[in-house]
Amino acid sequence: GQQVMQIPQYQHVQEGEDFTTYCNSSTTLSNIQWYKQRPGGHPVFLIQLVKSGEVKKQKRLTFQFGEAKKNSSLHITATQTTDVGTYFCAGCRTSGTYKYIFGTGTRLKVLA
Amino acid sequence: DSGVTQTPKHLITATGQRVTLRCSPRSGDLSVYWYQQSLDQGLQFLIQYYNGEERAKGNILERFSAQQFPDLHSELNLSSLELGDSALYFCASSVEGGPTDTQYFGPGTRLTVL
Repeated sequence: GQQVMQIPQYQHVQEGEDFTTYCNSSTTLSNIQWYKQRPGGHPVFLIQLVKSGEVKKQKRLTFQFGEAKKNSSLHITATQTTDVGTYFCAGCRTSGTYKYIFGTGTRLKVLA
Repeated sequence: DSGVTQTPKHLITATGQRVTLRCSPRSGDLSVYWYQQSLDQGLQFLIQYYNGEERAKGNILERFSAQQFPDLHSELNLSSLELGDSALYFCASSVEGGPTDTQYFGPGTRLTVL
């Protein structure tokens, strides 16, 4: 079945360092969404990418969708302690009915 | 606060029992999704409803069932509970349930099966 893998599973960084998480799908996606889940919280929508090769920025966060629409990345520049949490990608494949497959998540810890 | 409400917040029960989790979507949202998140695990999509009808099915066990009522709230029923069913169960809602919809997640129900 369709799988969406994320790497790394865990990442510890010093505050101020950059961070990147990668999302890879076994099948072509129609679009991809990114969510952030703070410890003890619920997933919160960050952004959606639809077009091949699309790049979107939100302040220190940069999101990319691969040319083949099978992978995506989230890059955080100069991490802050508020960036702590688990970042999930969610790939959507439309063939008949669609459904979102969430990636395994990357848990980010930022050390002050 | 996403506007999605889930009750109860916590549920402790024994193996073999049956429980019902309840979700009220954001005002105006027609679609409801259910997810299971085990300890330190990702989100497993269970099922989606749109305006009362089942729209998509994920890895939902036969012991689990769900429905969406005319007032758009949804219930997830878990029966013959096993230890492995202990998890956080999230409900999410979206406006039309389409592939580009943003999903708004509720605070979750933490189920502990003893």
